[in-house]
Amino acid sequence: SQTIHQWPATLVQPVGSPLSLECTVEGTSNPNLYWYRQAAGRGLQLLFYSVGIGQISSEVPQNLSASRPQDRQFILSSKKLLLSDSGFYLCAWKIFPGYTFGSGTRLTVV
Amino acid sequence: SQELEQSPQSLIVQEGKNLTINCTSSKTLYGLYWYKQKYGEGLIFLMMLQKGGEEKSHEKITAKLDEKKQQSSLHITASQPSHAGIYLCGADKGGGADGLTFGKGTHLIIQP
Repeated sequence: SQTIHQWPATLVQPVGSPLSLECTVEGTSNPNLYWYRQAAGRGLQLLFYSVGIGQISSEVPQNLSASRPQDRQFILSSKKLLLSDSGFYLCAWKIFPGYTFGSGTRLTVV
Repeated sequence: SQELEQSPQSLIVQEGKNLTINCTSSKTLYGLYWYKQKYGEGLIFLMMLQKGGEEKSHEKITAKLDEKKQQSSLHITASQPSHAGIYLCGADKGGGADGLTFGKGTHLIIQP
């Protein structure tokens, strides 16, 4: 079956600490993968997308980076978190007729 | 860049009543998606519309895309508590860019 996994579900990190969020999909090959952030008052914003291994497109300049080391793995990272990085992070996968989203990671930077 | 405006921002409806949520785009829509989100959870895909004048239904939810492809509406008939949540419209970015642009969402509360 085709599924998308995202972890952890919640994360509390101090300012200046590193970040790594992981997203994996099952039941497909060469998927288009996406990272979104949902912040209070700002709606759902596309951060990065990837159409293949090692291929990353950045939508918004910021303190975050993404990598795709394997076909079905998409990682969101930061070397030093800022307070403004707090939010709800969602991984998504393009599969007809729409995009399927993971269950999300609630990140609080303190 | 394309912007999606949803109205209303929030809506409180008595159980059993009908309601409509609107999504207006600043540019022509080439693919319009409706999602539902329970608070703190991921998005659940409802429907996707592509053609002008297209209408789709799923259970008691109907979505339409206008002929000019710049506005979509989501209509819920005989609302139930299970309909409560945040409704988001998203549009294909187009122009060779991948992914979706989203509206800020409509918070729907169903009163018993």
